[in-house]
Amino acid sequence: DSGVTQTPKHLITATGQRVTLRCSPRSGDLSVYWYQQSLDQGLQFLIQYYNGEERAKGNILERFSAQQFPDLHSELNLSSLELGDSALYFCASSVAAGSGYTFGSGTRLTVV
Amino acid sequence: DQQVKQNSPSLSVQEGRISILNCDYTNSMFDYFLWYKKYPAEGPTFLISISSIKDKNEDGRFTVFLNKSAKHLSLHIVPSQPGDSAVYFCAASARRSGGGADGLTFGKGTHLIIQP
Repeated sequence: DSGVTQTPKHLITATGQRVTLRCSPRSGDLSVYWYQQSLDQGLQFLIQYYNGEERAKGNILERFSAQQFPDLHSELNLSSLELGDSALYFCASSVAAGSGYTFGSGTRLTVV
Repeated sequence: DQQVKQNSPSLSVQEGRISILNCDYTNSMFDYFLWYKKYPAEGPTFLISISSIKDKNEDGRFTVFLNKSAKHLSLHIVPSQPGDSAVYFCAASARRSGGGADGLTFGKGTHLIIQP
């Protein structure tokens, strides 16, 4: 157990739907990062939050959004889902940006 | 445009020998580099990192070398063990001027297979 908790582990949904992925960071970590891993793209950075505020954006689509709550857990919202959104979505946390990030075990999203 | 490249999708090494995984980067703003190991159905696990002010960092069987002029880093595993079989990702980050860092930029990974 890495200390970063992601739920759900698996999610199957239809095209056009909306889903929410949840992440609880390791205790004491203020930074949360979301990554997408698809078969041909490797791990792609989506977005970073630090203590409730958006800190950096990567390759995140406009259909996707995220937030970090006062208790530091984070949610990634994916809407108008397409087949190509099928991927593993990882959350990572760190106590200080740039240090070794700790990853959760991921949520596998399948869009059918 | 891939800023972090791992040109070998897979590497097979005999148990007990040295495994050398390579990584090249193009962004000169990167100043912190990390290696992660990933097993199937698990998240990446942090292995070792190196700051751009160093050229070598060692932790047990794992050593990372950084050649800034060549924009190249490598991970050495000595001796290689069966449990080392996994996908290894090279990652890089650039510190922001106001502190903190952007998310990591990952290579596509190298699948290391340790043969008995």
